Amino acid sequence: KAGVTQTPRYLIKTRGQQVTLSCSPISGHRSVSWYQQTPGQGLQFLFEYFSETQRNKGNFPGRFSGRQFSNSRSEMNVSTLELGDSALYLCASSPDSAPPQPQHFGDGTRLSIL
Amino acid sequence: AQSVAQPEDQVNVAEGNPLTVKCTYSVSGNPYLFWYVQYPNRGLQFLLKYITGDNLVKGSYGFEAEFNKSQTSFHLKKPSALVSDSALYFCAVRDAPNFNKFYFGSGTKLNVKP
Repeated sequence: KAGVTQTPRYLIKTRGQQVTLSCSPISGHRSVSWYQQTPGQGLQFLFEYFSETQRNKGNFPGRFSGRQFSNSRSEMNVSTLELGDSALYLCASSPDSAPPQPQHFGDGTRLSIL
Repeated sequence: AQSVAQPEDQVNVAEGNPLTVKCTYSVSGNPYLFWYVQYPNRGLQFLLKYITGDNLVKGSYGFEAEFNKSQTSFHLKKPSALVSDSALYFCAVRDAPNFNKFYFGSGTKLNVKP
């Protein structure tokens, strides 16, 4: 099985711009979660999508948004970029089943804001 | 609320010696606990999980973890460390009522010296 694929791997943007990141989950995984990883704050949960609906949300401003398509692929958008948005953005997918299963992560998109 | 704590930012160990990476948790119901490893410029890789059953859980690459309910701990262990084990390790707890919401620890950098 192919793993979680995130594109692009690297992005450089300037303040005020917007950006869209893409995530293709493992085939059959319907849950997709997004995380922001920074050296200072560690790994922080952004949101989770399941069946095209946002099911869980972290404590991020409304500039951070996402969506999920019918094939479970997901996109994350950040508008009005700030310097503090520089981070590694990780996507993770998992089957929605019991007992709880681990999440499988992509290699991330490294976003740098100039 | 669910949370995990990794009290050590860094652990140093000599190759061939046993290693322990500590994790304590706080949950309101049954704990669903996970360990992940992250190598530079990569996403997180799943190592092992505790859902129920035996307190000693075996995982990938020779790692194991010991679940201790009375001490609310889930320490990661390996009998003989390798230089290639040097990486960042994350403990995570899954929010049981909200299956796909994970809470991650701050991470522990493991340095294995030859």
